This record gives sequence, C-alpha cells and structure tokens, in this order.
Amino acid sequence: DIVMTQSPESLGVSLGERATINCKSSQSVLYSSNNKNYLAWYQQKPGQPPKLLIYWASTRESGVPDRFSGSGSGTDFTLTISSLQAEDVAVYYCQQYYRTPPTFGQGTKVEIK
Amino acid sequence: QVQLQESGPGLVKPSQTLSLTCTVSGGSISSGSYYWSWIRQPAGKGLEWIGRIYNSGSTSYNPSLKSRVTMSVDTSKNQFSLELSSLTAADTAVYYCARERLESGSFFPDSWGQGTLVTVSS
Repeated sequence: DIVMTQSPESLGVSLGERATINCKSSQSVLYSSNNKNYLAWYQQKPGQPPKLLIYWASTRESGVPDRFSGSGSGTDFTLTISSLQAEDVAVYYCQQYYRTPPTFGQGTKVEIK
Repeated sequence: QVQLQESGPGLVKPSQTLSLTCTVSGGSISSGSYYWSWIRQPAGKGLEWIGRIYNSGSTSYNPSLKSRVTMSVDTSKNQFSLELSSLTAADTAVYYCARERLESGSFFPDSWGQGTLVTVSS
C-alpha cells in the first residue's frame, strides 16, 4: 500500500493568517501518461463526515472557498488555507487514489491560536 | 444533490457478521460515472477504505479485509450493502458509505453519508 504521511499533526493559526499542511506519499502518485497527480484533500469537522476540498492535487471542488488551495507533484503536496476563518477549524486529510487500495494520511488538526 | 444514509445495528457481538445498508437519494445508483464505497474510521483515528462496488455488481476490496468483506448492490431500491464477518473489537468504528467519482480511470469519494457507529462487544 502507498503510505501517506502528513505534517504537522496539529497546527495553531491566528484568524486571518495562513495555514500550511504537508503530505508526503511513499511513492509517486503522478501518472506520467496524463500528467495528473492522484491526490485529494478532505476536511472533517467534529461529528461530521469528511468533505472533499481538492482533487488532482490542485483542483478545487465546486463550492469550496478559494482560500483553500493545493499544490505539489510526485510525492510532496501542500494544502494551504490563505486566511484562516473560524469555520476552518477541522482535521484535514490527504488521500492518494493512484493505486488500490486508496489510502489516507493520519490527519492534521487545525485550531485557532 | 445526492444524499447517502447508512443503516444497520449499532452493536454487534464478536465473531458475528456486520450488515450495513446505504440508501442513496437525489441520484441514481445506476449512474455510470460513479462507484459506491465503504470507508471506516475508528474513534479518534484515521480513515480506512474497505471497498467499492459498481452498479453491475463488480467489486474491489481492500486486501487487508478482503477475506471478510462482501458488498452487494440493489439498483431497484437504490441501495448498496456491506457485510463484514468474523468481527473483533478492532472493527469498532464509524462506518461511512460514499460515492466515488470516476475520472481519468480512477475514483475518489466526493459525497459521504453521515456515518454510523458500530461497536463490537459482547
């Protein structure tokens, strides 16, 4: 299985400031034939299911605020929240869908500092 | 907008078989663009993909669970189901059903049910 490792485990950010979450895969999730990275990001608030934010490493899902952005390629990826809002407090997960079984990172908890 | 809702027992005894059903509304399970999956999350822990099923009944399971998992689909009821056998306490988790979008030959969950807590205990 492809192992996904996120850092940091938790992150305290002031309102309006930038939050950056990293995700590293144990092997490349870039498919050379279409130049797509098979990497998604999810947001999970307490007591709720995960919500899709980003897919193909940098494509925002419809309705997701543009303060959320994804970047990276190959094995190293980043989710950035450009200006943290109170409603962004959540656990964020990366997921690879390059190989079956799809696997998730362990999660990064984002809190208000 | 599609909605998914899990149903099934909240408490199951060790060694028994868990049966869960996911009812899909606001969209057809027969749509060719989607697969239908189960994902679980032990309390305070990360997400584990269990498997997926297509409207034809074609399945793909996580190798770590494959010997214990069976999925089925009932297109007439717009439902799909999970059976997980030989339960132990390690199977205690919130079980989510999800819709997986098919793009560029792969799939990723884009809609999730609210989840149902399953506790394995005698």
